Amino acid sequence: QQQVKQSPQSLIVQKGGISIINCAYENTAFDYFPWYQQFPGKGPALLIAIRPDVSEKKEGRFTISFNKSAKQFSLHIMDSQPGDSATYFCAASKETGGFKTIFGAGTRLFVKA
Amino acid sequence: DSGVTQTPKHLITATGQRVTLRCSPRSGDLSVYWYQQSLDQGLQFLIQYYNGEERAKGNILERFSAQQFPDLHSELNLSSLELGDSALYFCASSAQGWTEAFFGQGTRLTVV
Repeated sequence: QQQVKQSPQSLIVQKGGISIINCAYENTAFDYFPWYQQFPGKGPALLIAIRPDVSEKKEGRFTISFNKSAKQFSLHIMDSQPGDSATYFCAASKETGGFKTIFGAGTRLFVKA
Repeated sequence: DSGVTQTPKHLITATGQRVTLRCSPRSGDLSVYWYQQSLDQGLQFLIQYYNGEERAKGNILERFSAQQFPDLHSELNLSSLELGDSALYFCASSAQGWTEAFFGQGTRLTVV
């Protein structure tokens, strides 16, 4: 019930293409779904997050799509750039805290120039 | 710079030894979270402290312990170290809930 399943494990995309990473969760108590970007040697940094009362959130080239009934959410990176090459983690949490945040296993994205 | 400071950045130690990792949260943040990141396990939640009190516990081994001090900095103590404990250890801090949590740059622990 506490798992967050993330796919794919790795992804290679051409510059300018769309990168899509998918996650699925089990516990319906989660109400906050962030995505993190991690570069080598750095800590994960919050990229974008969504709450289950909306089905989509867009910030620049990054969009989260959320399907509450299917308990799935995905990250779309439009016009992918070599600088987007990093590891991406989805997570599920509870906004008010008192609940451990569970991370997906991560997706290594490589954007070819 | 997230404002969360972790020391040391790198640590190499032998099996059976004990180490202490330190985390200074962002100014004003009362919650500190510890995560372990290894190649095949992703980010695993270890433990959370809020204003000096343990708030939530994850898959933390009995050989590991943590505490949060009155000045809100936190320490993660790892003892009887094994080769499999080699990993990146991150702390994150937030004011209360997770929505404003920021990660430090991590401590890379290598057990030889």
